[in-house]
Amino acid sequence: DAGITQSPRHKVTETGTPVTLRCHQTENHRYMYWYRQDPGHGLRLIHYSYGVKDTDKGEVSDGYSVSRSKTEDFLLTLESATSSQTSVYFCATRQGSTDTQYFGPGTRLTVL
Amino acid sequence: SQQGEEDPQALSIQEGENATMNCSYKTSINNLQWYRQNSGRGLVHLILIRSNEREKHSGRLRVTLDTSKKSSSLLITASRAADTASYFCATDTSGTYKYIFGTGTRLKVLA
Repeated sequence: DAGITQSPRHKVTETGTPVTLRCHQTENHRYMYWYRQDPGHGLRLIHYSYGVKDTDKGEVSDGYSVSRSKTEDFLLTLESATSSQTSVYFCATRQGSTDTQYFGPGTRLTVL
Repeated sequence: SQQGEEDPQALSIQEGENATMNCSYKTSINNLQWYRQNSGRGLVHLILIRSNEREKHSGRLRVTLDTSKKSSSLLITASRAADTASYFCATDTSGTYKYIFGTGTRLKVLA
């Protein structure tokens, strides 16, 4: 596995609270991604980054923001968590030379 | 709807048999990739096929791509119990590096 870690791995929070998930990589990959995985929907892209401070929206970006101040870190923030954001969140990086994505272990988020 | 749609949604076979799963997509692509996900884990890249390729092999995996039909198939030969997992296709729409994943095929290989 590429060196991708996610923190926390599990989180339970209440509706209306802010939540930040962190993705850290040691591979120096330029592209980083946040996905959510829900039954029946596969993986859906939330936001992605193509460089430090360069980000763009995916197909399900409403209610989420991201930041990337360093190559190795990509943060996903739920400004005010809702129950519909209960999901498993995966971070990934893209290796430019092979177009391959490498995934982190995932964060299971429950919003009560 | 999803760019990539796999079928079947679920597949159950005996060890030693071949497993075939299909992926259809809607827009032109740079490449199509297949990933495996074991229960509760992150996805692992299996194989990538570029839009100008028609077939690719990697070990027991064989991938085909038909750009005229906008479809791909993944064949796993001589399946093993360890192949039990969900399999996803992902497409890279031309030039964007934004990947669209399908809903996956759940494969169960019975020992």
